[in-house]
Amino acid sequence: NAGVTQTPKFQVLKTGQSMTLQCAQDMNHEYMSWYRQDPGMGLRLIHYSVGAGITDQGEVPNGYNVSRSTTEDFPLRLLSAAPSQTSVYFCASRRGQNYGYTFGSGTRLTVV
Amino acid sequence: TQLLEQSPQFLSIQEGENLTVYCNSSSVFSSLQWYRQEPGEGPVLLVTVVTGGEVKKLKRLTFQFGDARKDSSLHITAAQPGDTGLYLCAGAPGNTPLVFGKGTRLSVIA
Repeated sequence: NAGVTQTPKFQVLKTGQSMTLQCAQDMNHEYMSWYRQDPGMGLRLIHYSVGAGITDQGEVPNGYNVSRSTTEDFPLRLLSAAPSQTSVYFCASRRGQNYGYTFGSGTRLTVV
Repeated sequence: TQLLEQSPQFLSIQEGENLTVYCNSSSVFSSLQWYRQEPGEGPVLLVTVVTGGEVKKLKRLTFQFGDARKDSSLHITAAQPGDTGLYLCAGAPGNTPLVFGKGTRLSVIA
């Protein structure tokens, strides 16, 4: 089924560890974004990309890196995990500026 | 300051009742979107409204975009337990990334 695939679904990290959250879409969408969702805070944009080779920072980029080497893939890297990064992370893609997002099913990350 | 303010934050109603939730901003949007999110899942797009004053219907859900394109509403007629979830509005003022409101959490009791 076409859509956005995120892996892993669950992850526990120790403070200071690094890891990469994977995101892939097979809809040939140009726009891809990473959001984090925390209770009472809604969905906050971490990083986004409007095409392969182009990335930019969102509202809460500190502690995260992204790259977009292909249209399909948009991995999110946590450089040195901190408890404040405990959250649910969603990757999403869309065709263009005025189109809706297709979301992945999320990665629930706990940093201890 | 939240770009998109949603109200109410929480809503608990009986099956069969009608309800309206709101999404307001001081900014003008080229389009607004509504999503529904269920526990453990990502948000799912319900509708995109583009034209000021536009009304779109999706079965028992009616979406309206304000004339000035600064606000939107979602009206549900005869709510059912399957309508339970978190309703999110989202928009981008100009050529900027999409931002989301904090959502309205709806609970429909049978």
